[in-house]
Amino acid sequence: DAGVIQSPRHEVTEMGQEVTLRCKPISGHNSLFWYRQTMMRGLELLIYFNNNVPIDDSGMPEDRFSAKMPNASFSTLKIQPSEPRDSAVYFCASSLSRANVLTFGAGSRLTVL
Amino acid sequence: TQLLEQSPQFLSIQEGENLTVYCNSSSVFSSLQWYRQEPGEGPVLLVTVVTGGEVKKLKRLTFQFGDARKDSSLHITAAQPGDTGLYLCAGSLIQGAQKLVFGQGTRLTINP
Repeated sequence: DAGVIQSPRHEVTEMGQEVTLRCKPISGHNSLFWYRQTMMRGLELLIYFNNNVPIDDSGMPEDRFSAKMPNASFSTLKIQPSEPRDSAVYFCASSLSRANVLTFGAGSRLTVL
Repeated sequence: TQLLEQSPQFLSIQEGENLTVYCNSSSVFSSLQWYRQEPGEGPVLLVTVVTGGEVKKLKRLTFQFGDARKDSSLHITAAQPGDTGLYLCAGSLIQGAQKLVFGQGTRLTINP
């Protein structure tokens, strides 16, 4: 298995632009998580899905952030409009819901100028 | 305020030395995990501990869960340059819950 695949690996954009981050979880995993990592705040859970359904989005910073999981093999995290304080590394992780063992992707490093 | 406090935040030691890093909380966790993260990659799970007082060993790494399930430690014996990385603890407050809370991490550097 290729593991959790995230794209893009790096994105540099200007304030106000829309950013879409993509994630392909491990085949067979039914839970998907979006995390954000910064030096100041560490790893923060933004949202997670079970069987493509959002379960807990309490970590989503504000309405500028949205996440979707249209099917078991794909999820997106969208920021619109982006702001400099959104600069961070965004990680996607997947797991089997009964196992609670997360497999992380390599992350998407976002820089908003 | 972090629910899980890790210490030290940074540690730089020579190859062959021993070290311990700590993960502390005022909250009780149903389980606790340790991850290692290398630059440009995502965290990778090392171990899960679920029982108070539990000790697990992974080669030169020894993990302990506190008796009250509020803290954990990671001890590395005879550290090697390959142990360099960011060590993260993560806990689940509710048994079976998938929501993990992460500590800030300990950035470990082992110098040859």
